[in-house]
Amino acid sequence: GAVVSQHPSWVICKSGTSVKIECRSLDFQATTMFWYRQFPKQSLMLMATSNEGSKATYEQGVEKDKFLINHASLTLSTLTVTSAHPEDSSFYICSATNGAGQGAYGYTFGSGTRLTVV
Amino acid sequence: AQTVTQSQPEMSVQEAETVTLSCTYDTSESNYYLFWYKQPPSRQMILVIRQEAYKQQNATENRFSVNFQKAAKSFSLKISDSQLGDTAMYFCAFINAGKSTFGDGTTLTVKP
Repeated sequence: GAVVSQHPSWVICKSGTSVKIECRSLDFQATTMFWYRQFPKQSLMLMATSNEGSKATYEQGVEKDKFLINHASLTLSTLTVTSAHPEDSSFYICSATNGAGQGAYGYTFGSGTRLTVV
Repeated sequence: AQTVTQSQPEMSVQEAETVTLSCTYDTSESNYYLFWYKQPPSRQMILVIRQEAYKQQNATENRFSVNFQKAAKSFSLKISDSQLGDTAMYFCAFINAGKSTFGDGTTLTVKP
């Protein structure tokens, strides 16, 4: 089955620094990848949608200069949290689809990254 | 815009019993897909079951089945013979034209 690998699984960084999270599709071409943020016991909040080779589409209220998304290949998307602050601490999850049926078969999710900014 | 509502924030069930999680949605679209995802304590999102809106037959995957009522815009998940490993947060999701909407989730605890 389709597998999405997300790294790192957890990261601690100092306030003001940047951190990069990688999301890779291992056995399929991910034409579209999604980035979510999830607070404890809450739902997934879609941050942005990225299509390979084009600029990401950010949801309302998400700062595009703070959360930089790059989807340069069909197997890799990255989320960089720039100048991180404690309020950016959260669980970040990516998902991917090969575009078949425009999501008809659901999305494959990465295992998530727990970011703690100190 | 689509909305997905899960009205039960928390539920519990005894091992081997049956439990039903509710989900309602609102959309003006006629062709879409519905899913239930499971998020165990590991926080890995796992697809449980999917339903195509144009199919009247309810989807079934082993102990998991759905009751899809298109006119009522209802999509409940039934878990039979509950197991301890079913303890997780369950999310109902709606996908149309590549766009997804998730419900707020139901935390299910299976008690021994």
